[in-house]
Amino acid sequence: QVQLVESGGGVVQPGRSLRLSCEASGFIFTSYTLHWVRQAPGKGLEWVALMSYDGSNTYYADSVKGRFTISRDNSNNTLFLQMNSLRAEDTAMYYCVRGGGQWLLTFYFDSWGQGTLVTVSS
Amino acid sequence: EIVMTQSPVTLSVSPGERATLSCRASQSISSYLAWYQQKPGQAPRLLIFGASTRATGIPARFSGSGSGTEFTLTISSLQSEDFGVYYCQQYNNWGTFGQGTKVEIK
Repeated sequence: QVQLVESGGGVVQPGRSLRLSCEASGFIFTSYTLHWVRQAPGKGLEWVALMSYDGSNTYYADSVKGRFTISRDNSNNTLFLQMNSLRAEDTAMYYCVRGGGQWLLTFYFDSWGQGTLVTVSS
Repeated sequence: EIVMTQSPVTLSVSPGERATLSCRASQSISSYLAWYQQKPGQAPRLLIFGASTRATGIPARFSGSGSGTEFTLTISSLQSEDFGVYYCQQYNNWGTFGQGTKVEIK
């Protein structure tokens, strides 16, 4: 079945960087758009970034544009999120999620990882 | 940005009863609406997409309706495992979520 396993979270000081990874299995990796969605403690859900199934398109939420970079390694079925210039407000659980439908750039999410927690604090 | 507003914030329901959750979009989103369920300590799970299509493995007691700006998620007979927080999400223009409705035991 579809599995998305995130890693790389932790505690980091403001202004520093962190790189999240998401290992995917159980589906054809290159057929699906993949996203990062985050959830601050006790709060709602916020879409962060996407990379299209073919890697040709990337989009970011305004709150992270210019600081975060999404990428994917199709040979290892892995999605990444490079987070630079981290701020306290970036503190959240970060979920790797799969977009619904093959070969589509969709913004609904049919599979979710369990998340990795990022805490930005001095 | 399209703003999604859910009501009520909290819904107290007895097992076996019907639960009706509402979601309103600040502008028309056609049928580009999804519903998710989240239980404490777990990731969200897709229930409904396209406003009314159940995702794989979702029981028939969950149904979605609506189009344009007004949407409803109905749980016909609430089971113990259905308690949690429910989020609606529009994906007509990027993807924005509502603030959630917590369904709790009455």
